[in-house]
Amino acid sequence: QVQLQESGPGLVKPSQTLSLTCTVSGGSISSGSYYWSWIRQPAGKGLEWIGRIYTSGSTNYNPSLKSRVTISVDTSKNQFSLKLSSVTAADTAVYYCARVGGSYLPHFDYWGQGTLVTVSS
Amino acid sequence: EIVLTQSPGTLSLSPGERATLSCRASQSVSSSYLAWYQQKPGQAPRLLIYGASSRATGIPDRFSGSGSGTDFTLTISRLEPEDFAVYYCQQYGSSPQLYTFGQGTKLEIK
Repeated sequence: QVQLQESGPGLVKPSQTLSLTCTVSGGSISSGSYYWSWIRQPAGKGLEWIGRIYTSGSTNYNPSLKSRVTISVDTSKNQFSLKLSSVTAADTAVYYCARVGGSYLPHFDYWGQGTLVTVSS
Repeated sequence: EIVLTQSPGTLSLSPGERATLSCRASQSVSSSYLAWYQQKPGQAPRLLIYGASSRATGIPDRFSGSGSGTDFTLTISRLEPEDFAVYYCQQYGSSPQLYTFGQGTKLEIK
């Protein structure tokens, strides 16, 4: 059973960089044709896809966030990470990491529990 | 970019009733690329349906999905108390906006 767990600071100051890590357990991050994604959800609102990474390092980002987002992977640690720069209060949200299949299985089947990140001075 | 519009925004029903939730796409979506999720307060979304009509592992058969093109439906045949939650549809499209979600339908107890 694949499990994902987000970790990182819960409070980030405006204009700084938000950094989160997702640790995958119960299977290798490199096995199968899966991408690893970040999704966020502001309080009381819907879900927004941030980006995804394949274990080769290939990435795709939401165009609305692309200029500020970097997703990376460390296969030796079975982890992938999110960096979001120049944050504002609008970036306050619960951040989820999730597994998503390739074009044959383009749905998010495993999710982390989510971590709340608040942007405030 | 494909926009998904879910209706109604809120659906008030009683346990034992049938729920019908709609997801309409601004452009045609391949049925293979349409999924539904359930989210309860304080929890991550849970995959219910993928490929428009295939139930995910462990999902009860009272949940079913249907539709094609621009109109998709999630049906819960007989509501159980644990089914009251928010439901999202999601589609996979072409680059760069690969994944989009609907705004959600809140299913509440009447």
